[in-house]
Amino acid sequence: DIQMTQSPASLSASLGETVSIECLASEGISNDLAWYQQKSGKSPQLLIYAASRLQDGVPSRFSGSGSGTRYSLKISGMQPEDEADYFCQQSYKYPLTFGSGTKLEIK
Amino acid sequence: QVTLKESGPGILQPSQTLSLTCTFSGFSLSTYGMGVGWIRQPSGKGLEWLANIWWDDDKYYNPSLKNRLTISKDTSNNQAFLKITNVDTADTATYYCARIGLGRNYFDYWGQGVMVTVSS
Repeated sequence: DIQMTQSPASLSASLGETVSIECLASEGISNDLAWYQQKSGKSPQLLIYAASRLQDGVPSRFSGSGSGTRYSLKISGMQPEDEADYFCQQSYKYPLTFGSGTKLEIK
Repeated sequence: QVTLKESGPGILQPSQTLSLTCTFSGFSLSTYGMGVGWIRQPSGKGLEWLANIWWDDDKYYNPSLKNRLTISKDTSNNQAFLKITNVDTADTATYYCARIGLGRNYFDYWGQGVMVTVSS
């Protein structure tokens, strides 16, 4: 199985701050990576797919980058509604696997 | 408008079989490239992929659940199903179904989830 190591486990950011979350795959996944946002008590929502493609309706302050085994999600200008858990997921190979999650809070 | 909604028993006892239903609208599982997946999340923990079913009835399972899973679909009624046999307390979680609409195992629409508790 491909292991997805996500970091940090938690972070706090001030409004307007730029934050980054990283995922490291245990083997190359050819940009087959998605990022999801999960607000408290809600189901996950797709933000980014294919490592860098923004899902329809997602604000442009969210962006994804990376290649090979290293991928990152950037939020350029933290907003109150961005407080949530974030998960990465590799779609390269079965079984599909998720990172352990990052809890993002407002400082 | 794509929507999905899970339904299940709520609570069941160890060793029983868990049967979940995903009822969806706004897309068809007979359309080329479409799929539905099941993912679960124990309270306060991360996400675990369980199984996918595709428009052509291709199926994929998480081997960590050791052949306890069966996924199926009813295309004419816009439903997908998941059965988990021989449940125990470790299967207590919120279960989500989600659409795979972008063709590469990305879950682009999710249901609200159904909480399942396994307890004696």
